[in-house]
Amino acid sequence: AQSVTQPDIHITVSEGASLELRCNYSYGATPYLFWYVQSPGQGLQLLLKYFSGDTLVQGIKGFEAEFKRSQSSFNLRKPSVHWSDAAEYFCAVGPDNTDKLIFGTGTRLQVFP
Amino acid sequence: KAGVTQTPRYLIKTRGQQVTLSCSPISGHRSVSWYQQTPGQGLQFLFEYFSETQRNKGNFPGRFSGRQFSNSRSEMNVSTLELGDSALYLCASSLTPGLGDGYTFGSGTRLTVV
Repeated sequence: AQSVTQPDIHITVSEGASLELRCNYSYGATPYLFWYVQSPGQGLQLLLKYFSGDTLVQGIKGFEAEFKRSQSSFNLRKPSVHWSDAAEYFCAVGPDNTDKLIFGTGTRLQVFP
Repeated sequence: KAGVTQTPRYLIKTRGQQVTLSCSPISGHRSVSWYQQTPGQGLQFLFEYFSETQRNKGNFPGRFSGRQFSNSRSEMNVSTLELGDSALYLCASSLTPGLGDGYTFGSGTRLTVV
């Protein structure tokens, strides 16, 4: 069965520091991979997605993610974090023949000034 | 253009009652999916509709049901509410079925069962 693991429940960084959020998936073929962000009391906003092709994907708000098949990972990165990036981040995976997303448990990002 | 609209935003119901939640997708989007978010179970897929037909269903009891109308608006219904049904219910829409278009999520309906 497909699964997604986000090993870090909570990460704290200083504003301006770089960020990497980890995501590992379990799936037989190349999955559809997504990163979403959720601010308190809000829905999910799509940051970026990967289906095929270039393994380095650029998203909104300055985020990028790299698909590494050998490590079954799809880590999210940002070179310089802003205070407004504080939120919860979810990695998700989906097989291409269904509409069902399987989400990780999320990583809560806290940003200190 | 307007995003995914979910109504109501907040709801308080008593155990044993039933509830109906509404979702209006982005104009032109014909696929609507529903997810339940709880602190304990995280985000879980409920069901997905396209052209008024349920295409996929998650692992939830029959008390959870949904439907889609000809204008692509969707409703989900939970009957005989239990305390454990307290959650944020998120609706997402996409142009077509499948994950290729990506989902756009609404802000959710926060259901509290007392």
